[in-house]
Amino acid sequence: NAGVTQTPKFRILKIGQSMTLQCTQDMNHNYMYWYRQDPGMGLKLIYYSVGAGITDKGEVPNGYNVSRSTTEDFPLRLELAAPSQTSVYFCASRRGEDTDTQYFGPGTRLTVL
Amino acid sequence: GNSVTQMEGPVTLSEEAFLTINCTYTATGYPSLFWYVQYPGEGLQLLLKATKADDKGSNKGFEATYRKETTSFHLEKGSVQVSDSAVYFCALSEVQGNTPLVFGKGTRLSVIA
Repeated sequence: NAGVTQTPKFRILKIGQSMTLQCTQDMNHNYMYWYRQDPGMGLKLIYYSVGAGITDKGEVPNGYNVSRSTTEDFPLRLELAAPSQTSVYFCASRRGEDTDTQYFGPGTRLTVL
Repeated sequence: GNSVTQMEGPVTLSEEAFLTINCTYTATGYPSLFWYVQYPGEGLQLLLKATKADDKGSNKGFEATYRKETTSFHLEKGSVQVSDSAVYFCALSEVQGNTPLVFGKGTRLSVIA
């Protein structure tokens, strides 16, 4: 069971470039999330999805876009990368009941120069 | 709205010392409560959880008891090891389950030999 996988592990972007961070889960979870974690800081929710075709904004959605065309995949798109988007990005998934454990991917470390 | 408050870090302890990390919450209804741990360079993983009042979650020598009367879920360990050095996050899940977990800001623990 692979759990939550993320690619790439590391990426360096130039200002203004775009990229997609990939996230896949193989647990048939309904709910998926994207967080960013700045150095020494806690988690900030970017976007989340409660099922295929349904997405909603989190705390810090500006500069990002998501889509959820399948249960398994939840890519995060960065358009026009800015230095403020330098961070570690975590994808997570959860089945959907309040007692359920949330599973996190290993993270993508993104640097925008 | 719902919220989680954790003690500020960093916390530095000597090996075999007793650990307490305080966590209090504000919530409507009866949320499920979680402690997640993040080891250096990794994603978050579940440490323990409790889903109803007076439940005690335990794992790897860590314990936390869901105290409804004090709205608390303090994390404790009787004898910490260097390998316990990590960031610890307290979190709650609303009863409906269809809203994202609410995380505390995290507490960094460093254990020195």
